[in-house]
Amino acid sequence: GAVVSQHPSRVICKSGTSVKIECRSLDFQATTMFWYRQFPKQSLMLMATSNEGSKATYEQGVEKDKFLINHASLTLSTLTVTSAHPEDSSFYICSATPGQVMDYGYTFGSGTRLTVV
Amino acid sequence: AQKITQTQPGMFVQEKEAVTLDCTYDTSDQSYGLFWYKQPSSGEMIFLIYQGSYDEQNATEGRYSLNFQKARKSANLVISASQLGDSAMYFCAMMNTGFQKLVFGTGTRLLVSP
Repeated sequence: GAVVSQHPSRVICKSGTSVKIECRSLDFQATTMFWYRQFPKQSLMLMATSNEGSKATYEQGVEKDKFLINHASLTLSTLTVTSAHPEDSSFYICSATPGQVMDYGYTFGSGTRLTVV
Repeated sequence: AQKITQTQPGMFVQEKEAVTLDCTYDTSDQSYGLFWYKQPSSGEMIFLIYQGSYDEQNATEGRYSLNFQKARKSANLVISASQLGDSAMYFCAMMNTGFQKLVFGTGTRLLVSP
């Protein structure tokens, strides 16, 4: 089945530093990937839609200069949290679909738990 | 705007019994899709079942079935013969066909007891 690999699974960084999170589709090509953020005991909130070869589309209220998204190939999208602060601590998760959504749903990565200290 | 509502923050069920998790939605679009995902404590999101707005029959996948009532705008998940491994958060989500992105409900935490 379709697999999306997300790395790292956990990261702790110092305030002011940047962190890069990778999302890879292992056995399919994904022209579009999605990045979500989830606070503890809350739902997933879509941050941005990552499009291969073009600029990402950010949801309202998401700072594009804070959360840099690069979708350089059909199998890799990266999310960089720049100048991270404690309020950026959260669970970040990506998703993609290998084909028809109604057949496969969206496949999610295993998520990245970011802690900024 | 799309909206998904899950009114049950938590549900309890005994092993081997059936349980229904509620989901209502709001959209002005005619074409849309409804999803259910399971999120164990590890954090991964597991796709369970999909229902298209034009599907006349309720979707089923093994022990999961979706009770789709279009006029009421509800898409409840029914889990039959609950197992201990079913304990997790369950999210209902909707996608408008033209946009691809998912909008999630607030989730229901299901606990299955022996």
